Amino acid sequence: GAVVSQHPSRVICKSGTSVKIECRSLDFQATTMFWYRQFPKQSLMLMATSNEGSKATYEQGVEKDKFLINHASLTLSTLTVTSAHPEDSSFYICSAWTGQGYNEQFFGPGTRLTVL
Amino acid sequence: DQQVKQNSPSLSVQEGRISILNCDYTNSMFDYFLWYKKYPAEGPTFLISISSIKDKNEDGRFTVFLNKSAKHLSLHIVPSQPGDSAVYFCAARGNAGNMLTFGGGTRLMVKP
Repeated sequence: GAVVSQHPSRVICKSGTSVKIECRSLDFQATTMFWYRQFPKQSLMLMATSNEGSKATYEQGVEKDKFLINHASLTLSTLTVTSAHPEDSSFYICSAWTGQGYNEQFFGPGTRLTVL
Repeated sequence: DQQVKQNSPSLSVQEGRISILNCDYTNSMFDYFLWYKKYPAEGPTFLISISSIKDKNEDGRFTVFLNKSAKHLSLHIVPSQPGDSAVYFCAARGNAGNMLTFGGGTRLMVKP
């Protein structure tokens, strides 16, 4: 299957700083990328949907000014957690969709964010 | 309101036996259902899917059954193997866009 990478895999930062997470589709072009968040022992919650070259669509309850998403190219989307606080600590996962077929959504390995 | 529910947070099965993971949904607009397997600190990997026009899809040891009238689907793994131990998520897709709604997950433990 296609490969989606995320960088970094783990990040620890101080409260108040901003953290950028990259999501790349390595061997295919992604029409759409999705960002999810997973709390311990809970399900994946969709945060936002981003299409290349356009503004991201955020799910209800997700602060767009806090979670900045940029989908600058068909292979790269970034999630920036601005002014991070301990409650933002979570596991963030991206997925990339080729735009063809229902099964063609591939997930990255995730990024563990810990805010001290 | 959770549109996709997996009511069993965990399941323990002996190696070689059948594992049955269940999933219920409430939104009748969902027309495609998927099962994902997830190991800790990794992203989900696609396992098997089923369209709402079918009631069964089989792929090797994995079979997904869909009861549309009951809004219920299940994943059968037979025979279960220790390597199947993971968290399994069911997900549903509506007919608008490619958004997935995930269930809460079921942790499967297959004992040798």
